[in-house]
Amino acid sequence: ELKVEQNPLFLSMQEGKNYTIYCNYSTTSDRLYWYRQDPGKSLESLFVLLSNGAVKQEGRLMASLDTKARLSTLHITAAVHDLSATYFCAVEAGFGNEKLTFGTGTRLTIIP
Amino acid sequence: DTAVSQTPKYLVTQMGNDKSIKCEQNLGHDTMYWYKQDSKKFLKIMFSYNNKELIINETVPNRFSPKSPDKAHLNLHINSLELGDSAVYFCASSQSQGLHNSPLHFGNGTRLTVT
Repeated sequence: ELKVEQNPLFLSMQEGKNYTIYCNYSTTSDRLYWYRQDPGKSLESLFVLLSNGAVKQEGRLMASLDTKARLSTLHITAAVHDLSATYFCAVEAGFGNEKLTFGTGTRLTIIP
Repeated sequence: DTAVSQTPKYLVTQMGNDKSIKCEQNLGHDTMYWYKQDSKKFLKIMFSYNNKELIINETVPNRFSPKSPDKAHLNLHINSLELGDSAVYFCASSQSQGLHNSPLHFGNGTRLTVT
């Protein structure tokens, strides 16, 4: 059974700092997704990573995928308060599977 | 012009009752899903339908019964509600079976509280 783990689970950081959220998964997959969830809200798609070495960037967020290490990272550069949210990675168990297994989530709080 | 809409947003009910949650998407997607998010924010798939056909049926008590009258609608009926059913239930849709590299589009969730 596919397991997806994120760390840290909770992250409190100051504005202007950089940090990385890690997403490890247990079985072979080359399809990984990052989502953002604000408190009491829905999930918003951030990135779709589809191959080994894929890197996507949007504003202060950058996501990468290493399928050999079964690892994805979400890097935050010069954090701002608006980035406070819970971030989830999700892995597709196999091509054509259409089932996403979500990580545990990382609750990010940016302190002014 | 909401893409994936769920009703109701909040649902408070007593143990033993039967309730339904409705979901509609106007994105023209073929596949729809129900996910459950527990109090620790953990998200787990429950069901998936592709063009009205059940594709994924995870280990969910048979008190939960999804119904898809057409590919734009996926409803969730829950019989004999239990305390442990309290959670946020998210409906989602995707472009086609197999995700095909497109992300899920989520509804705003239904917060179910069973007392």
